[in-house]
Amino acid sequence: DAKTTQPPSMDCAEGRAANLPCNHSTISGNEYVYWYRQIHSQGPQYIIHGLKNNETNEMASLIITEDRKSSTLILPHATLRDTAVYYCIASGAGGTSYGKLTFGQGTILTVHP
Amino acid sequence: SQTIHQWPATLVQPVGSPLSLECTVEGTSNPNLYWYRQAAGRGLQLLFYSVGIGQISSEVPQNLSASRPQDRQFILSSKKLLLSDSGFYLCAWSGQGAGGYTFGSGTRLTVV
Repeated sequence: DAKTTQPPSMDCAEGRAANLPCNHSTISGNEYVYWYRQIHSQGPQYIIHGLKNNETNEMASLIITEDRKSSTLILPHATLRDTAVYYCIASGAGGTSYGKLTFGQGTILTVHP
Repeated sequence: SQTIHQWPATLVQPVGSPLSLECTVEGTSNPNLYWYRQAAGRGLQLLFYSVGIGQISSEVPQNLSASRPQDRQFILSSKKLLLSDSGFYLCAWSGQGAGGYTFGSGTRLTVV
């Protein structure tokens, strides 16, 4: 898996957009960008993934740069319940030897009132 | 819909005792299965993964072993627990495509 770099912590005001950056300059052409989050004492929760195009679902949006060397996860209207550790992971698809998720230290996002 | 079950939720075991944690998946077939461990204040470490019955790959040398006796059952075991085996153990599954992992609720193991 390609190495990813994330800021260790970020703050966001409740109701505002949270933009979490991730650098993955060594990502290979067949690797996806995955985002997960882990709320304290729970298992990680899948948020979104993408290959080249920007993606949006009910939880978040994922913006991937054209050269695929970085991406941004956007939580459009952060709530207190979005306080968690957010992991950005570059990995191949499942069912292959390289489809294993390697978690780094992630970004601790704190949403405050 | 697919669900993943993991038990027990918490476990306190003495040093030297055996361990068996079970994980089962419902609503899908031929899932990829994974065991992760998270030590206190640390990140998630992949321990084992399996792409089919009887097929186990170990990521790190350790005091643990894994088995997959059935398509949707994944078991994590130890013959003799060490203090360093304490942690939060998570089972996860994924499909064959690019979709994300689904994690279980985890087992918090304390070895005393």
